[in-house]
Amino acid sequence: DVKVTQSSRYLVKRTGEKVFLECVQDMDHENMFWYRQDPGLGLRLIYFSYDVKMKEKGDIPEGYSVSREKKERFSLILESASTNQTSMYLCASSLRVGLEKLFFGSGTQLSVL
Amino acid sequence: AQTVTQSQPEMSVQEAETVTLSCTYDTSENNYYLFWYKQPPSRQMILVIRQEAYKQQNATENRFSVNFQKAAKSFSLKISDSQLGDTAMYFCAFMKPQGAQKLVFGQGTRLTINP
Repeated sequence: DVKVTQSSRYLVKRTGEKVFLECVQDMDHENMFWYRQDPGLGLRLIYFSYDVKMKEKGDIPEGYSVSREKKERFSLILESASTNQTSMYLCASSLRVGLEKLFFGSGTQLSVL
Repeated sequence: AQTVTQSQPEMSVQEAETVTLSCTYDTSENNYYLFWYKQPPSRQMILVIRQEAYKQQNATENRFSVNFQKAAKSFSLKISDSQLGDTAMYFCAFMKPQGAQKLVFGQGTRLTINP
């Protein structure tokens, strides 16, 4: 069965810490995405990657960076965590083109204190 | 830029009833894709149904169907014979067919099915 795995379900960090959120997919998908989900705002795209070492900014990239050294792994990095980055983070993956659906992980609820 | 609006933050119905969730969107594109995703308490988003804008026929998937009104830019989801397992957040989403599959999501509707 298809699987997108996020390394942590819940995470608590301090302001100013560097935070890594990891995502691994086992479907050999080209595309991978990071979204953040906030009540009343839905999901907003932070970054996406369409190939190894390739990345593009989404709608809200400020304060975040990403890394994709291997096809199956896509990492979201908060260089210096701030309280306004407290949120649910969802990773997703998909095949390259067309009407292929996205497969989502179960999310990481990040709290920055 | 495209926007997606879900005007119903919460809805609640009795089991076995029919419920309709609303979604409107704004775009200048002529061809695009629309989706409904479901997020149960497990938090994993699941695709419910999808519609290609150039297809006039409304998509259906078992108890789930859509009412796609292209001119009105409306894409509502109808759930027939609702079940307790339909309790979830529902998100409407828009995607352009070109390039990477960047989804633009609405705010979500929290649907509760009561026994």
